Amino acid sequence: DTAVSQTPKYLVTQMGNDKSIKCEQNLGHDTMYWYKQDSKKFLKIMFSYNNKELIINETVPNRFSPKSPDKAHLNLHINSLELGDSAVYFCASSHPSGSVDTQYFGPGTRLTVL
Amino acid sequence: QKEVEQDPGPLSVPEGAIVSLNCTYSNSAFQYFMWYRQYSRKGPELLMYTYSSGNKEDGRFTAQVDKSSKYISLFIRDSQPSDSATYLCAMSASNFGNEKLTFGTGTRLTIIP
Repeated sequence: DTAVSQTPKYLVTQMGNDKSIKCEQNLGHDTMYWYKQDSKKFLKIMFSYNNKELIINETVPNRFSPKSPDKAHLNLHINSLELGDSAVYFCASSHPSGSVDTQYFGPGTRLTVL
Repeated sequence: QKEVEQDPGPLSVPEGAIVSLNCTYSNSAFQYFMWYRQYSRKGPELLMYTYSSGNKEDGRFTAQVDKSSKYISLFIRDSQPSDSATYLCAMSASNFGNEKLTFGTGTRLTIIP
């Protein structure tokens, strides 16, 4: 049983395209997150949602737009992709709300922008 | 200066050795300290969690926090090849209110059989 799942696992696309990454968790958690991990393995939070409400929005270009249709899903849409967007994007979830000690990460989506 | 500093390695040690992994931080508000293990091409998984200063032991793993020095450590005893992974420290000022985690850059560890 997959706890936090992401699709697609790999995404290769051209500069300027628009793409989406989907995330689903079946843990019943209230809070979901998007993280970006660069080529040097540095993991940085981008967004967090609690019960479909945006809670954390780090200084991320507004080309990135998260959408939470329900508590179990948090999708990430990226417009006008740039070379610097190439990274691994991880979705995570936690419970109780915003608890830092119980974050479960998905397997990641490896995005390559050509 | 980054809020959390971690030597990226790589670090290679023979099987059975004791491994010491460390992070330093600058934000004195941090109170919650975690170690995550990340295998290649996988998501990070929580390994150890410590609140404030002190030690915590779980099997072969020991986490230490020294808040006065702003220094945290993870020790792995009797290291095994399966311990080969990237280890990321993470910390937070609070466990509530949707506080964010700040991560170190990770140390890549290889245990040589």
